[in-house]
Parts: sequence; C-alpha cells; structure tokens
Amino acid sequence: AQSVAQPEDQVNVAEGNPLTVKCTYSVSGNPYLFWYVQYPNRGLQFLLKYITGDNLVKGSYGFEAEFNKSQTSFHLKKPSALVSDSALYFCAVRGINTGGFKTIFGAGTRLFVKA
Amino acid sequence: DAGVTQSPTHLIKTRGQQVTLRCSPKSGHDTVSWYQQALGQGPQFIFQYYEEEERQRGNFPDRFSGHQFPNYSSELNVNALWLGDSALYLCASSLGTGSQETQYFGPGTRLLVL
Repeated sequence: AQSVAQPEDQVNVAEGNPLTVKCTYSVSGNPYLFWYVQYPNRGLQFLLKYITGDNLVKGSYGFEAEFNKSQTSFHLKKPSALVSDSALYFCAVRGINTGGFKTIFGAGTRLFVKA
Repeated sequence: DAGVTQSPTHLIKTRGQQVTLRCSPKSGHDTVSWYQQALGQGPQFIFQYYEEEERQRGNFPDRFSGHQFPNYSSELNVNALWLGDSALYLCASSLGTGSQETQYFGPGTRLLVL
C-alpha cells in the first residue's frame, strides 16, 4: 500500500543550528513529493516540491529538501533554524500509483526551535 | 489576489445532522480537493473535483458528497454526522489536471459533532 512515514513525532533544535525533518515514502513508480507547514489553527502552507531533475530542491523561507530514490526519502532541511520555524510539518506524496490526484500525507512532525 | 477561502470557520452540530461546508478556490484555479484532518493526524484525502465532476475519491463513505459549481467553487456535504466526523476540513485548489500541480490550502473549517 502507498504510504508516507515521518518517523519523528517531534524534533527539537536550537536557534541557529541546522535542522532536518525526515520523510520516507512507499509509492511505486515516480512519485511527486511535497512539504507543507501548518501553524496553529491554520491551513497548510506549501514549502517545496520535487517533480524531477536535481535531487536538491529549494523552497520557501530558506528550506530545502533532498530526494533520494534509492532510500525512498525526502528529508526537509534548513541550514540555520529560526524560532519562527516552530510549527507542524507534513510530507506528502502524489503520483500515478496513488491514482494520480490523491495526495497521501504523513502524520506530521512537530518542530520546536529554542532560542 | 485572494487565496483559498472557506466558510464557516467553525461549526457545531449534533449526531445525525447534516452539514455543508464551502470553498472558493484561489483565483485562476479550476480544481478543488477536500481533506479531513483529525486531531493529531495528517490530512486524509476525501475527493477532488474538476470540471464539476468528482475525479477521484478517497476511502470515505457515501455520507460524504460534494459539488463543484461553474465558477469552480465547491461544497462538501456530510450527512448523518457521527462523533468521529469531528475534524478540521481543508479545501485545496490547484490548476490543471497534472498530478504534479501544487495544491494551495484554505484555513479550514473546524467541525465539532456532539
């Protein structure tokens, strides 16, 4: 079955340090991969996506993600964390083998950035 | 340029009642998807509408139905509400038919079923 796993419920990092939020997927074929962020009582905001090409994708607010096909991973990274980055982060996948239009989301990872 | 808007923001219903949630897509977008986000979970795909037709459906019962209007706005209807239907309902819009298209989300409607 197609699925997305975010193995860490919570990630804690000090302001100024690099951060990584992990995501692995189980979707056959060539999926499209997305990262979204959700602030309290808000909808999801798009950060970045991987469609094809360069495995390192750059997105909004200084975030980037690295696609690794052999490890079926799409980890979100940022070189220097800000307190304002504290939020809930979702990895998502879509592709032919999810029906083409259905997006499958992970359960989310809560990021805490301490000043 | 208005983003995705949803109404109402909050709603309280009792078991067995029916509810209608509304969504206006981002300007220029023609595709609307609906998601249910239960507390502490990721969004779950309900269905997607394009050209006023349901294009794909997730694993939700027939109590969940929808509609898309000629102006691309959409409604989500839920009949015979259960306590378990309490959740944040998110609408997302996108442009075109490609599955690589980015979906932009509205702020959601929080539904509480008592």
